[in-house]
Amino acid sequence: GDSVTQMEGPVTLSEEAFLTINCTYTATGYPSLFWYVQYPGEGLQLLLKATKADDKGSNKGFEATYRKETTSFHLEKGSVQVSDSAVYFCALREGGSYIPTFGRGTSLIVHP
Amino acid sequence: EAGVTQFPSHSVIEKGQTVTLRCDPISGHDNLYWYRRVMGKEIKFLLHFVKESKQDESGMPNNRFLAERTGGTYSTLKVQPAELEDSGVYFCASSQVSSADTQYFGPGTRLTVL
Repeated sequence: GDSVTQMEGPVTLSEEAFLTINCTYTATGYPSLFWYVQYPGEGLQLLLKATKADDKGSNKGFEATYRKETTSFHLEKGSVQVSDSAVYFCALREGGSYIPTFGRGTSLIVHP
Repeated sequence: EAGVTQFPSHSVIEKGQTVTLRCDPISGHDNLYWYRRVMGKEIKFLLHFVKESKQDESGMPNNRFLAERTGGTYSTLKVQPAELEDSGVYFCASSQVSSADTQYFGPGTRLTVL
């Protein structure tokens, strides 16, 4: 079945550092890929998505590129802020389904 | 516009007790979903309502879990009797039928079974 593997956290960075959170997936078809973010006390929010190979999703300074050859969708940001501290979930969704398959989540802690 | 709300935010109960979680979706959203995240693991799908009907309940772990959505508005998820392995965070999400691939999530209910 489908699965998503994310790097374990927590990831601890200083403000303005470069961020990478790795995500790889296994899928039977050609899924859409997503990153969700959960800020403390809030629900999951869609951060960005990509629907086909080589697409780049971007939002709020975050980027991720759909790499079919490496089955990866790594999340990057050039300069993190304290307000980026949250839990980040990588997910995929196969065509025809509205139910995402999530990874385990990666906690990001950014220090001033 | 209010988002998806869930009540309570936290619940601590003893093994064998009953707990009922509530989810209020965004007004007008006919699709309602329940998910669960056990500590440190993936968020897993539990079930999906369209209005008051259960569209897909393939993720429900066993018959100790009962979900209802009477009247097609809010939903409840009852766990009876609770077991230790039921501990986790229960998320609810809702979406419009016309844009079902965009789900809005609530903040979750953290359930601890002692």
